[in-house]
Amino acid sequence: DTGVSQDPRHKITKRGQNVTFRCDPISEHNRLYWYRQTLGQGPEFLTYFQNEAQLEKSRLLSDRFSAERPKGSFSTLEIQRTEQGDSAMYLCASSLLGLNTFYGYTFGSGTRLTVV
Amino acid sequence: GQQVMQIPQYQHVQEGEDFTTYCNSSTTLSNIQWYKQRPGGHPVFLIQLVKSGEVKKQKRLTFQFGEAKKNSSLHITATQTTDVGTYFCAGRRNRDDKIIFGKGTRLHILP
Repeated sequence: DTGVSQDPRHKITKRGQNVTFRCDPISEHNRLYWYRQTLGQGPEFLTYFQNEAQLEKSRLLSDRFSAERPKGSFSTLEIQRTEQGDSAMYLCASSLLGLNTFYGYTFGSGTRLTVV
Repeated sequence: GQQVMQIPQYQHVQEGEDFTTYCNSSTTLSNIQWYKQRPGGHPVFLIQLVKSGEVKKQKRLTFQFGEAKKNSSLHITATQTTDVGTYFCAGRRNRDDKIIFGKGTRLHILP
């Protein structure tokens, strides 16, 4: 297993364009998370899935953001009508949630979005 | 909503000195995790604390979870250049919940 993969690593887009990011989690993990991180800040929660079900979406997230995890495998995060304030590192993480155990998150290397 | 606060925001220490970062939650936590992020890298999981008053050690790193399960600390003994990075605590209110990160403490080692 190569860990959590994110694609692309970098994305530069013009304001108003739509962008889509992909995350491939560790195959045995049932939980998948999206976070956003700006310079000097901690990762900020966006949304998460257990298998294919989206369990929670941050109230800070506008309707321009949507995430999917079809078939409980890879996930996509789409941002519509991008704004300059969307510029950030978008981090995907996966973890395993068992009946009586919980584990740390394994993060991908992230997708750095720059909106110009 | 749940907030996790960390202090200090930055810490500069001479190589060989000790370092401590503190984490406080506005709510009681189910468990707390610590992550390290190297410059230009992504967060890497270090450890998870679950029990009230728990203390865990990883070589020169000592992690503590407060009795009330609302605060935690990470102490590094005799820092080395490889310790450079930002250390984040991340708390979870409920067993099934996502984790909320603090803003992190950036550690810089002076040669």
